Amino acid sequence: ETGVTQTPRHLVMGMTNKKSLKCEQHLGHNAMYWYKQSAKKPLELMFVYNFKEQTENNSVPSRFSPECPNSSHLFLHLHTLQPEDSALYLCASSQDGRRGRETQYFGPGTRLLVL
Amino acid sequence: DQQVKQNSPSLSVQEGRISILNCDYTNSMFDYFLWYKKYPAEGPTFLISISSIKDKNEDGRFTVFLNKSAKHLSLHIVPSQPGDSAVYFCAASPAVTGNQFYFGTGTSLTVIP
Repeated sequence: ETGVTQTPRHLVMGMTNKKSLKCEQHLGHNAMYWYKQSAKKPLELMFVYNFKEQTENNSVPSRFSPECPNSSHLFLHLHTLQPEDSALYLCASSQDGRRGRETQYFGPGTRLLVL
Repeated sequence: DQQVKQNSPSLSVQEGRISILNCDYTNSMFDYFLWYKKYPAEGPTFLISISSIKDKNEDGRFTVFLNKSAKHLSLHIVPSQPGDSAVYFCAASPAVTGNQFYFGTGTSLTVIP
């Protein structure tokens, strides 16, 4: 599935840097998600946006700040991260996140390394 | 505490034979389940789903079985092909809470030619 793109694919940043991850979906979906995948751990849902409104924030530290300007774009702004934040960050989308039983379509992910 | 568990981190199978990937869950409210497949450097791609009203769903070479009493599901791939070599994730959702899925840690399948 190539309908969800993420940039950059790889990112190395220092703990004092500020960077942003970008996700774009071309599927006409209305829900977008950020997930974190750390080594040997399951995918963890971070944020959910439905129709541009944030509907889920799974106790994510404030050093991660999401932004959803429209249903096609999702950003994750990063600042003062810690080395333990190094992980694969995946974006996904689905037709309508308020409904259950929907397939989520994932982007390729951004591999983040915090030094 | 992990609500979805894939206890086998890896599995190797000969080409042409059956691959069986297992997944266990603890939350009895889960009623919709997905399997995803992930190649290196790519995001997970949807493979097959099953609702709790069924105990089996088939799509070509892929069949998912659900045993609600045991809180267990399995993915059967037959016949296995080298291109099936990937990491497989199961995911579960309590549909009443919208579209929040809980994922397992994945099983890496290697199909040996």
